[in-house]
Amino acid sequence: DVKVTQSSRYLVKRTGEKVFLECVQDMDHENMFWYRQDPGLGLRLIYFSYDVKMKEKGDIPEGYSVSREKKERFSLILESASTNQTSMYLCASSTPGTGSGEQYFGPGTRLTVT
Amino acid sequence: AQSVTQLDSQVPVFEEAPVELRCNYSSSVSVYLFWYVQYPNQGLQLLLKYLSGSTLVKGINGFEAEFNKSQTSFHLRKPSVHISDTAEYFCAVTIYGGATNKLIFGTGTLLAVQP
Repeated sequence: DVKVTQSSRYLVKRTGEKVFLECVQDMDHENMFWYRQDPGLGLRLIYFSYDVKMKEKGDIPEGYSVSREKKERFSLILESASTNQTSMYLCASSTPGTGSGEQYFGPGTRLTVT
Repeated sequence: AQSVTQLDSQVPVFEEAPVELRCNYSSSVSVYLFWYVQYPNQGLQLLLKYLSGSTLVKGINGFEAEFNKSQTSFHLRKPSVHISDTAEYFCAVTIYGGATNKLIFGTGTLLAVQP
């Protein structure tokens, strides 16, 4: 079974803190994704990575950065957390290229910024 | 540009009743289509997918979906729901371009099963 794990299920941070969300997958997938999920808005893509050290902006990258130093690990960084970044964050991975695009998701991190 | 529309944000239904969750997509190319389910405070889990072949696709937990190319729809159905089916359901379509394939998701439908 593909396994995608996220470092925390629940996280509470203060405004202005630097926040790291970690994601690890064990299926040797080239692609990894970070989404945020908000009620009524569905899943919105923040960043994705298609190889080690390679990344592209998604639909809502502002206020976020990412790091992919190893194939299995993809980190989302909030440089200076703000209350409007309170959300559910989901990580996913998939095989590359022209395949079906099926993604495998982690359990999510519910982040609250106070 | 490709997009996915889930027409109902919430669908209330009584236990053992049938249900249909609607999904329409727009795409100018061949598509791969997915339904994912999200139980409370969990990640998304694949329910079923259409890649090619038979337009009627069966998934886990008794769900099925029908791909209708002429109506650009991929509606999800279950003949008899259980309380445990209460969850949010997301329809998604694959998009290509740039470095790799990605998924576009609908805004989700909350299925609320009542006893």
